[in-house]
Amino acid sequence: QSALTQPRSVSGSPGQSVTISCTGTSSDVGGYNYVSWYQQHPGKVPKLMVYDVSERPSGVPDRFSGSKSGNTASLTISGLQAEDDADYYCCSYTGSSYVFGAGTKVTVL
Amino acid sequence: QVQLVQSGAEVKEPGASVKVSCSASGYTFTDYSIHWLRQAPGQGLEWMGWIFTSSGGTNYAQKFRGRVTMTLHTSISTAYMELTRLISDDTAVYYCARESSPGLNAAYWGQGTLVTVSA
Repeated sequence: QSALTQPRSVSGSPGQSVTISCTGTSSDVGGYNYVSWYQQHPGKVPKLMVYDVSERPSGVPDRFSGSKSGNTASLTISGLQAEDDADYYCCSYTGSSYVFGAGTKVTVL
Repeated sequence: QVQLVQSGAEVKEPGASVKVSCSASGYTFTDYSIHWLRQAPGQGLEWMGWIFTSSGGTNYAQKFRGRVTMTLHTSISTAYMELTRLISDDTAVYYCARESSPGLNAAYWGQGTLVTVSA
């Protein structure tokens, strides 16, 4: 199972919006509504930010939103804040397993 | 509150095995599946497999089949992940994570266990 494709990095100024794409195939992202996104700060445990494509766990700011079109899922961070500077990983169900993207470094300028 | 507490760091020689534990508290252990993931130094997350805590059934990633075994000790709410025939590329932080609903909706993670494989 190949890893999902994410951009290596994206950046934006405080207050701006950034979108991270996550491209898979019809066998993973396109085939199931089980796409999740995790945020990870250096040396920390990953934190769930979005699940089931667009659902937010309790406590996650509504600045974080998820969507999907075809084989590509996206995570949008609106109104960037300094604490959003982190690595973000997408994950998709494949029918029998799970596959992650290689991660995207979000830099808040 | 939900907590997952993992066993401590391990150093192993190539060819050896390692068994990592994940002790759960704050919820009914058999209500939610446990996933195991790992992260090599400077690398991304990698899913290894999951175990259904209600039945003990498992599903392993193709890459690890034949080398990984996930088990339970339900009476003490603990899950285990054993990886055999270790090589240097297995050096990583190993995490357990509790699924809240199907789809690796993992809001709760253990603190991670560093496994170092070195001669």
